[in-house]
Amino acid sequence: AQSVTQLDSQVPVFEEAPVELRCNYSSSVSVYLFWYVQYPNQGLQLLLKYLSGSTLVKGINGFEAEFNKSQTSFHLRKPSVHISDTAEYFCAVKRGGSNYKLTFGKGTLLTVNP
Amino acid sequence: DVKVTQSSRYLVKRTGEKVFLECVQDMDHENMFWYRQDPGLGLRLIYFSYDVKMKEKGDIPEGYSVSREKKERFSLILESASTNQTSMYLCASSFSGISNYGYTFGSGTRLTVV
Repeated sequence: AQSVTQLDSQVPVFEEAPVELRCNYSSSVSVYLFWYVQYPNQGLQLLLKYLSGSTLVKGINGFEAEFNKSQTSFHLRKPSVHISDTAEYFCAVKRGGSNYKLTFGKGTLLTVNP
Repeated sequence: DVKVTQSSRYLVKRTGEKVFLECVQDMDHENMFWYRQDPGLGLRLIYFSYDVKMKEKGDIPEGYSVSREKKERFSLILESASTNQTSMYLCASSFSGISNYGYTFGSGTRLTVV
């Protein structure tokens, strides 16, 4: 079974600082990778996804992620965060050939302080 | 704007009550999912359905059942609510097959069992 590890449960940063949220997944022949964001008292929204092709994926709100097959990682980055980026971020993986299920990490709470 | 709609944002029920959580999607998605979200545990899959009247158990089905009589609607049923079922419940939907590139989530139902 697939597993996803988000290495940090909480990441506090100051406004305008860069941030990296780390995600590692268990190896598989092929995978699709996703990052979701959850703002307080809301459902999850898709931030970006890697399906194939370029390993650097750009998403909404200035976020990007890099797929690294050799390290089985899909870390999320933003060069300069805003207060409004405060939210919980979830990494998820779908195994190639798997029809239905995403496997989610336990989430990383990003807190941006003024 | 395509949507997954959960009927209630907040719900308070008594121990032993039968509870129905409703989810409706307007995207003609084949797959629908119910997750519960708890602090530090991330998202855990309760049940999912890949077609009308079809269902499969997820990782934590005990104490829950589901119903999918129409493609657009997926109901989660707590047969006899208990306090350990106090949680945030998230519904999601997706296409099947090669177009299954991620989920669309509802806004969540925060259930409190007293």
